[in-house]
Amino acid sequence: ETGVTQSPTHLIKTRGQQVTLRCSSQSGHNTVSWYQQALGQGPQFIFQYYREEENGRGNFPPRFSGLQFPNYSSELNVNALELDDSALYLCDSSPGTNREQYFGPGTRLTVT
Amino acid sequence: GNSVTQMEGPVTLSEEAFLTINCTYTATGYPSLFWYVQYPGEGLQLLLKATKADDKGSNKGFEATYRKETTSFHLEKGSVQVSDSAVYFCALSDQETSGSRLTFGEGTQLTVNP
Repeated sequence: ETGVTQSPTHLIKTRGQQVTLRCSSQSGHNTVSWYQQALGQGPQFIFQYYREEENGRGNFPPRFSGLQFPNYSSELNVNALELDDSALYLCDSSPGTNREQYFGPGTRLTVT
Repeated sequence: GNSVTQMEGPVTLSEEAFLTINCTYTATGYPSLFWYVQYPGEGLQLLLKATKADDKGSNKGFEATYRKETTSFHLEKGSVQVSDSAVYFCALSDQETSGSRLTFGEGTQLTVNP
């Protein structure tokens, strides 16, 4: 049990729609990162937030955006969904940018 | 850039067999190295880590040694159990070049038969 929760567990969306995924971290975890894990592949870094500011971004287009809130929760928003966005989305949180990270169970997004 | 390469899978073993999953990395700085495990339908769990050369990470009978000279971090276990069946990911984080973001390998599916 990592203390990191994600919602929803599963989600089905249609191509072109928008989606918001949520992550709730442990108290004091001011760093959150989001990863995309396509089926049969390793997770790919999307971006990281530190104290509510974006702190690094992977090779993902601008339609992937995020927010981090003072209550240690965060959101991943994806606009104009594409079929290839179907994946498991993982968030991980940490009490600092160089401290041990804790992963949530993930949200399985299916785009049809 | 940073990258992690894992041995191609899947790997199928009988219970009590010896396990090795190979992992090599490329990094421009001095990375920390990790092994994560993912059970079916679940997220990632940290299995073990090593933060500098020659460190050995260990947990639940699994071990891996950080070898800078061969840029490797191979995972080993002397006697696997059915409950070890999962996907194993090697990963690195390089504080100098990319902060705490993790770069993962493709994963190795391990199946242990009774």
